[in-house]
Amino acid sequence: GAGVSQSPRYKVAKRGQDVALRCDPISGHVSLFWYQQALGQGPEFLTYFQNEAQLDKSGLPSDRFFAERPEGSVSTLKIQRTQQEDSAVYLCASSSTRGPGATQYFGAGTRLSVL
Amino acid sequence: DQQVKQNSPSLSVQEGRISILNCDYTNSMFDYFLWYKKYPAEGPTFLISISSIKDKNEDGRFTVFLNKSAKHLSLHIVPSQPGDSAVYFCAASASQFYFGTGTSLTVIP
Repeated sequence: GAGVSQSPRYKVAKRGQDVALRCDPISGHVSLFWYQQALGQGPEFLTYFQNEAQLDKSGLPSDRFFAERPEGSVSTLKIQRTQQEDSAVYLCASSSTRGPGATQYFGAGTRLSVL
Repeated sequence: DQQVKQNSPSLSVQEGRISILNCDYTNSMFDYFLWYKKYPAEGPTFLISISSIKDKNEDGRFTVFLNKSAKHLSLHIVPSQPGDSAVYFCAASASQFYFGTGTSLTVIP
């Protein structure tokens, strides 16, 4: 695709509900990143994939957060038993090169609101 | 612990004048720096980058300056245009990217 695509754009969840957020990276991009952006803050790193391998998940805030990229393309970020503090914009980015030190291209994000 | 800081949450500039956005960082291991621009309801868009081996990189109206000894990064936009009004994030990379909190730039026609 022409850019990074994320769906849904908006998600409202009741506290305790599980959610799944999808990211379609730019075609051919080997690196994929997930970020969480709280209101008034910059994006904060969650996790990084190189192809299907999750090389860094140090930013995931708890074991309720889980990400996968089984075929090295589309990725899903799953949040179990959502809590109000999970409300944020979740951004996905991809990069054509291996490693996190290269320019990343972002999707528009999924805005999650947990009630 | 904020490793990348943008201390000015907002900036207003007259059209045609220079906009200077500043960013400070604490980690001397950062070796790659970027500026992103963000419009409402959109994801951040890459603007310009600089490697730690350089002190300046220019792309049209946009110039990024890096002062490693001061651990300071700045973005100059000249001349500023109303379409430049957006939130600007600086980011720094070592093993992962760290973003500042953003500066909202308003260019007044």
